[in-house]
Amino acid sequence: NAGVMQNPRHLVRRRGQEARLRCSPMKGHSHVYWYRQLPEEGLKFMVYLQKENIIDESGMPKERFSAEFPKEGPSILRIQQVVRGDSAAYFCASSRPARQGLLAEAFFGQGTRLTVV
Amino acid sequence: GQSLEQPSEVTAVEGAIVQINCTYQTSGFYGLSWYQQHDGGAPTFLSYNALDGLEETGRFSSFLSRSDSYGYLLLQELQMKDSASYFCAVRSGGATNKLIFGTGTLLAVQP
Repeated sequence: NAGVMQNPRHLVRRRGQEARLRCSPMKGHSHVYWYRQLPEEGLKFMVYLQKENIIDESGMPKERFSAEFPKEGPSILRIQQVVRGDSAAYFCASSRPARQGLLAEAFFGQGTRLTVV
Repeated sequence: GQSLEQPSEVTAVEGAIVQINCTYQTSGFYGLSWYQQHDGGAPTFLSYNALDGLEETGRFSSFLSRSDSYGYLLLQELQMKDSASYFCAVRSGGATNKLIFGTGTLLAVQP
C-alpha cells in the first residue's frame, strides 16, 4: 500500500514562472491537506480539500495560489508568477474524513522543495 | 483565532526523560495529536488523545487536559535518534474541522 506520493521532490523555477505541485493520497483517503514549511519553522496550513470540493482554503494567499483535487488524478497545488518568497517546502497529507472523537490520522508525503531563483 | 504554542527548543541527554508542552486555543476541539519530523522530512504520526489522561505507546506517552487546553508529549529513555522536531496538532472542529499544527519543538539529544 503506497503512502502519500508527492512530485516532484525538488522544483526550481525562475521568478514569474508557474509551479505545479502534485499529491496522490493514500489508497482509501478522500481528504487532502497542503501545508507550507519554511526552514526552522512549523507547518502552516494552506488548504483542505476533498474530491471535487475545497473544504477550507483560509490559509491560502488570495492571489497566485490555487488548489484542486479532481475526481480522477492527484491533487494539484498551483502557484502562478512565483516570487522568491514562495521558496519553501510544501507538504501534502491525506486522511480519511474526520469524525468527532475519532482519530483521523494524517499521513504525509515527502514534500516538494520549491526554489525560486 | 486558533493557535497552538510549544517551546521552540529543548535539549536533553541520552537516557533522560523530556516533556514537550502544548497549549492550544481553537474554536472547536476533537483531540490532540503529536507528530515527529526528522530533518525536514515527512512528519510522522506519534500519538492521539481525545480524552483527558495519559496514553502510553512504548517510550512515548502523551497527556491531555481539556479543561486546561493543554497537553504534553513525554519521551523516556531518550536516544540520539529522537533528535527531531515535534509538533502538536488539533482538528479545529467547526464547519471544516481542518488539521492545524503547533509551532514545533526542536529536540536535541546529546550524548
